[in-house]
Amino acid sequence: GDSVTQMEGPVTLSEEAFLTINCTYTATGYPSLFWYVQYPGEGLQLLLKATKADDKGSNKGFEATYRKETTSFHLEKGSVQVSDSAVYFCALSLPATGANNLFFGTGTRLTVIP
Amino acid sequence: SQTIHQWPATLVQPVGSPLSLECTVEGTSNPNLYWYRQAAGRGLQLLFYSVGIGQISSEVPQNLSASRPQDRQFILSSKKLLLSDSGFYLCAGTGFGSPLHFGNGTRLTVT
Repeated sequence: GDSVTQMEGPVTLSEEAFLTINCTYTATGYPSLFWYVQYPGEGLQLLLKATKADDKGSNKGFEATYRKETTSFHLEKGSVQVSDSAVYFCALSLPATGANNLFFGTGTRLTVIP
Repeated sequence: SQTIHQWPATLVQPVGSPLSLECTVEGTSNPNLYWYRQAAGRGLQLLFYSVGIGQISSEVPQNLSASRPQDRQFILSSKKLLLSDSGFYLCAGTGFGSPLHFGNGTRLTVT
């Protein structure tokens, strides 16, 4: 079935370190891919998205490239800050009708220490 | 733009008591609405979704129920809470062609 597999955390990095959070997917069609971020005590917010192969989503210094050949959408940031500490969710959306076409990974908790 | 309002932000309830969490949506009509739960140490679990008034689909069997009395209102309920119902509950919504928007969540502690 359709699913998202996300790198398990928690991940702890020092400020200005390079971040990679791996995400791979399984889908029967051609999904759109998303990264959502959940800051402490808040709901989820859309961080970035990509809707087709080779698209690169970017926002707030984060990037992820839709790789169809490896079915991946890894999240990267060149230099993390303490304020990036949050839980990051990779998600997949299929272009089919119906409300149940959204799949989330289990989330990766990132802690950035000064 | 679409906004999801969810309340209360935190709630402490004794075992066996009822529950009602409310979610309302602004900025879009006829949204698809969702209730997710995020239990400690686990990812997001879809509990219910709704494509319209009175239309509710349940993803997992559980002690909870959902209702959609109005187009932009989605309610999560329980008649008798269990300890295992503790968690962080998130309401989410999406209009046509737009990504999922989330409310700020309700942290429920059942004691």
